[in-house]
Amino acid sequence: GAVVSQHPSWVICKSGTSVKIECRSLDFQATTMFWYRQFPKQSLMLMATSNEGSKATYEQGVEKDKFLINHASLTLSTLTVTSAHPEDSSFYICSASQLALGETQYFGPGTRLLVL
Amino acid sequence: KQEVTQIPAALSVPEGENLVLNCSFTDSAIYNLQWFRQDPGKGLTSLLLIQSSQREQTSGRLNASLDKSSGRSTLYIAASQPGDSATYLCAVMDSSYKLIFGSGTRLLVRP
Repeated sequence: GAVVSQHPSWVICKSGTSVKIECRSLDFQATTMFWYRQFPKQSLMLMATSNEGSKATYEQGVEKDKFLINHASLTLSTLTVTSAHPEDSSFYICSASQLALGETQYFGPGTRLLVL
Repeated sequence: KQEVTQIPAALSVPEGENLVLNCSFTDSAIYNLQWFRQDPGKGLTSLLLIQSSQREQTSGRLNASLDKSSGRSTLYIAASQPGDSATYLCAVMDSSYKLIFGSGTRLLVRP
């Protein structure tokens, strides 16, 4: 139980284009989803927290207009990287939690983004 | 601001050795502490979760301890195997249910 998927697993795009990454909770309803970014050989950094039906809360230093997060349903959250640049190339990981299951976050497998 | 540090950053040991990975955090007001494993290019696998009221957790060859007052946790791996080679991440959950990660320890177990 408590499986989280991400799509796509990897994506290559040209500079200036936008890329959408999906995060789905497959067998539970996720009241909260988290988006992390991980640069090579570095740790995970929390980008934003989203609750279903409300606006995401972004961490300090994360541009909300560049990283659009939508949590339209209890099983789906999307992260859109707008006008991507090479410095946005990174590994993006989402996690999901449900109040009824406690505070545990269940992590997706990650999406590797390469911006050329 | 909570900061999580992991030492060492990298570790190479021969197969069969027992080893200890260290994690320290600056703010003792944590909800829980978790150890994860991450294989190259992959997501996270949760290994052990210690609630703030607990002192340790065990799973197979893994044992994690928590000393909240001193801001420290250790992950003990017994009889290491080449399959244990991965990056091990420590993360603390703060009172707002956010996870703050350390930078990880890259472990290589040589056959």
